[in-house]
Amino acid sequence: EIVMTQSPVTLSVSPGERATLSCRASQSVSSNLAWYQQKPGQAPRLLIFGASTRATGIPARFSGSGSGTEFTLTISSLQSEDFAVYYCQQYNNWPPLTFGGGTKVEIK
Amino acid sequence: QMQLQESGPGLVMPSETVSLTCTVSGFPISGGYYWGWIRQPPGKGLEWIGGIYQSGSTFHSPSLKSRVTMSVDTSKNQFSLRLSSVTAADTAVYYCARLITVSGVYFDYWGQGTLVTVSS
Repeated sequence: EIVMTQSPVTLSVSPGERATLSCRASQSVSSNLAWYQQKPGQAPRLLIFGASTRATGIPARFSGSGSGTEFTLTISSLQSEDFAVYYCQQYNNWPPLTFGGGTKVEIK
Repeated sequence: QMQLQESGPGLVMPSETVSLTCTVSGFPISGGYYWGWIRQPPGKGLEWIGGIYQSGSTFHSPSLKSRVTMSVDTSKNQFSLRLSSVTAADTAVYYCARLITVSGVYFDYWGQGTLVTVSS
């Protein structure tokens, strides 16, 4: 099973600043990685697939990069609605599909 | 606009079987997609449970496979999950979701989730 590790666990950022979230895979997952956003009391929302392709309706301030074992989700200028928990998910070697433990982006 | 809605008992006794149903609206469940289940213990991360195709073909997380049964009812546009021999560790919000399998394997539409609490 591929283990996904996200860092940091919590990221404190001021509105308008840039946020950089990391996701590391225990072995290469090529570019087979998705990112999700989850707000309190809500279901996750797909942001990125294929490591860097934005899902339909996702603002351009969200960007994904990386391949192999190291991935990054960047939010270029944080808006109030972006404060949430973010999860990565690999789909290179499955089953099982595996998620990272999440990064909480909070207001600084 | 496609919507998914989970339904289930809320509270389940330890060692019993919990049955959950996901009702899909605005899209035919026989429309060529896989449908999946994911759970999230309170305050924790996401865990994939399994997925099912319209034909009834399934795939499961190895860690839960022995306790999971999934089915699909195309006439009702629903799919279901049964998890047997539950313990407190199975307490979680259970989500159903549509699974994209063409450009990758990820979830694009999710239900709101239903909380299942295992307690006597």
